[in-house]
Amino acid sequence: DTAVSQTPKYLVTQMGNDKSIKCEQNLGHDTMYWYKQDSKKFLKIMFSYNNKELIINETVPNRFSPKSPDKAHLNLHINSLELGDSAVYFCASSSQGKSDTQYFGPGTRLTVL
Amino acid sequence: GQNIDQPTEMTATEGAIVQINCTYQTSGFNGLFWYQQHAGEAPTFLSYNVLDGLEEKGRFSSFLSRSKGYSYLLLKELQMKDSASYLCAVRDRGGGADGLTFGKGTHLIIQP
Repeated sequence: DTAVSQTPKYLVTQMGNDKSIKCEQNLGHDTMYWYKQDSKKFLKIMFSYNNKELIINETVPNRFSPKSPDKAHLNLHINSLELGDSAVYFCASSSQGKSDTQYFGPGTRLTVL
Repeated sequence: GQNIDQPTEMTATEGAIVQINCTYQTSGFNGLFWYQQHAGEAPTFLSYNVLDGLEEKGRFSSFLSRSKGYSYLLLKELQMKDSASYLCAVRDRGGGADGLTFGKGTHLIIQP
């Protein structure tokens, strides 16, 4: 049983296009996240979201927007893709609890040509 | 600002012990995590410390000193499959809704 899943696993697209990455978790968690891992393997938070608030990392361009249809899903929509957006994007989820351990999805490798 | 430092790369021998250090300077502190990440895969949770001291889980242990802003991950009886990147991460506020701040990771190479 997959705990946190993402689709697609690979995404190759042209500059200027708009694309979405989907994330679903079946852990019953109430908080979800998007991270970006660049070519140097540095993992950086982009967004965190629960049913009460969206917290945005101030360095994230407004071309990126998270969309949550329900508590189990947090999709990432990207407008006007740029070469620098090429990276691996990880979704994660956690519950409000003792450690709030975050569990990561398998990642989506985005390549912008 | 947030600053988390860990060595870029370490090499160790199969069957030996290795200690990966992490120092942090963050605006707040509400827990430190260690994750393992194999090439091309997702980070997987290894350990969590919020109080000072040692947490042991099988071959892996993690230590925290909040006053020193310091943690280490200790791996015993190293196996070839332990070759991976090890990520130190700090949650600097409560509630968990604001994500983790990660270090740049330590690439651990296990030699036969």
